[in-house]
Amino acid sequence: EVQLVESGGGLVQPGGSLRLSCAASGFTFSSYWMSWVRQAPGKGLEWVANIKQDGSEKYYVDSVKGRFSISRDNAKNSLSLQMNSLRAEDMAVYYCVRAHVYASGCYDYWGQGTLVTVSS
Amino acid sequence: DIVMTQSPDSLAVSLGERATINCKSSQSVLYNSNNKNYLGWYQQKPGQPPKLLIYWASTRESGVPDRFTGSGSGTDFTLTISSLQAEDVAVYYCQQYYSTPLTFGGGTKVEIK
Repeated sequence: EVQLVESGGGLVQPGGSLRLSCAASGFTFSSYWMSWVRQAPGKGLEWVANIKQDGSEKYYVDSVKGRFSISRDNAKNSLSLQMNSLRAEDMAVYYCVRAHVYASGCYDYWGQGTLVTVSS
Repeated sequence: DIVMTQSPDSLAVSLGERATINCKSSQSVLYNSNNKNYLGWYQQKPGQPPKLLIYWASTRESGVPDRFTGSGSGTDFTLTISSLQAEDVAVYYCQQYYSTPLTFGGGTKVEIK
């Protein structure tokens, strides 16, 4: 059974940093693009970043470029998102998602999400 | 960036009736070299993460009931629920994966009338 379990969310002050982690199991992690997608409270979905199977390609939404960094450790089946210089508008539930094997920009498995609250 | 616009924002449909959700992209998401539309549909129920229903605009994900149908090409797409069931109450999102940044529509809330 495919499982994606996020951790690392919490309360952080504006300008602070947080590192999110995602533990993957039930599939060959190194064979899939992986991404982070976020959802602000009561709002829609926003793609944040994705990373290729071997980590050689990474893409970000403009609003987080230079502040967030996505990475993966295929040996540990884990995905991470380092978030620096956090802003109020970064407050959201962050989902770890697996790209579909046939349509790598679609997401067929989602974690339950971890909430990031940015507030003083 | 490709902007995805969904309509309506919400709709109420009687049980057993048809629900139709529209999605329009600001530029074509049809890739000519493989004739595929890079468009997906998701369902999100309260308190849950989204669930993939449709990819390539019309390919049903494994396990998705056949009352869910995706159609359209280029810039105009539709998700149809042929006979609404109580468990279909949710917010539905379209998403383009033609180019980064990958973008989602604003969502359509489907309720029972």
